[in-house]
Amino acid sequence: DAGVTQSPTHLIKTRGQQVTLRCSPKSGHDTVSWYQQALGQGPQFIFQYYEEEERQRGNFPDRFSGHQFPNYSSELNVNALLLGDSALYLCASSSRDRDHGYTFGSGTRLTVV
Amino acid sequence: AQSVAQPEDQVNVAEGNPLTVKCTYSVSGNPYLFWYVQYPNRGLQFLLKYITGDNLVKGSYGFEAEFNKSQTSFHLKKPSALVSDSALYFCAVRDINTGGFKTIFGAGTRLFVKA
Repeated sequence: DAGVTQSPTHLIKTRGQQVTLRCSPKSGHDTVSWYQQALGQGPQFIFQYYEEEERQRGNFPDRFSGHQFPNYSSELNVNALLLGDSALYLCASSSRDRDHGYTFGSGTRLTVV
Repeated sequence: AQSVAQPEDQVNVAEGNPLTVKCTYSVSGNPYLFWYVQYPNRGLQFLLKYITGDNLVKGSYGFEAEFNKSQTSFHLKKPSALVSDSALYFCAVRDINTGGFKTIFGAGTRLFVKA
């Protein structure tokens, strides 16, 4: 049973560039949430996708956008990268019909230089 | 607005001793409460949850947590710590009454279990 798959695992980008991170949810899950985890901090909620729509959003600027596809996979896009965007980006999947916790991927480590 | 506080940055305990990692929360309605563990360079792993019912919740790897509504706490406990329990632990809360679906995480508590 495949868990949550994120790609790439590591990424180095230059300030001002754009980046796309990808996530495949656990089999049977229909909801994808994205989190940003800076070094030494807890995960910060970016947004959540269900039925291909953004359902809720955290306190992140519009430079952060996303998409969910019919197969429930998801992308996180960040435009005009800043040094402060350097973090571990975590994808978490869940099932809307069941009150289970999240299943997390191992994350994408983004470094902006 | 919902929030989670983990008052201890770090907890140190000797192997075989009981451990407690503290968590308090603030939500406008009834909470869903969770504990997750994170090992180095890995994503978070689900340990246990409280939705409703018995205030003592049992989870993975021998961990349990006690929900205390009057103190708005959800402390993580284990009767006998193992060195392999050393990791970063996160408490999380979701406010089901506002219709929102986001889960808010605390800043984390690093647990060190010494042999």
